[in-house]
Amino acid sequence: GQQVMQIPQYQHVQEGEDFTTYCNSSTTLSNIQWYKQRPGGHPVFLIQLVKSGEVKKQKRLTFQFGEAKKNSSLHITATQTTDVGTYFCAVPDSWGKLQFGAGTQVVVTP
Amino acid sequence: DAGVIQSPRHEVTEMGQEVTLRCKPISGHDYLFWYRQTMMRGLELLIYFNNNVPIDDSGMPEDRFSAKMPNASFSTLKIQPSEPRDSAVYFCASSLAGQGVTEAFFGQGTRLTVV
Repeated sequence: GQQVMQIPQYQHVQEGEDFTTYCNSSTTLSNIQWYKQRPGGHPVFLIQLVKSGEVKKQKRLTFQFGEAKKNSSLHITATQTTDVGTYFCAVPDSWGKLQFGAGTQVVVTP
Repeated sequence: DAGVIQSPRHEVTEMGQEVTLRCKPISGHDYLFWYRQTMMRGLELLIYFNNNVPIDDSGMPEDRFSAKMPNASFSTLKIQPSEPRDSAVYFCASSLAGQGVTEAFFGQGTRLTVV
């Protein structure tokens, strides 16, 4: 099945700095989802991107879907301690199967 | 809606014992997923159901693992016999197929420790 690679695996960020995490696929994706999992918690849906080149914003979070629909990124500006957690991209196939990337674990230093 | 409900939240068992994890999906959802999460392997999809029918169980690691969904409101994941390497957090998630956003809603998870 299709797989997605997430980079980086770990991200240490100083509070107030920006960072970006990436999700890459070797195949064209119909859509892509992003989830956040707080330490000790469960994955929580953030957003779904469907259109080529789509950009969506949620406060300090900016999500982008590549023009070729083979990659996606999540950019966080002015990182806060509440941003701590692991961010996953997930790819649903036409049968409804939801496959997750390995995730980017974000640690924020005050 | 109370969301996806999993039980128990924590389970500690001895190697060789049978373990049964339970899940109640969100009412009306037609997809149910079982995931296992470990530090080494991340989030692994074990099996998923559509309208109570198992669609893909290729992620089930061994014959020791089995999953059932007898009706739309209940699913179980059974491990028999359990082994220490089965220690992980097991998540159940449900979603509703449709034309729009098809987000998966996760339960709180069951943290399984096999000693």
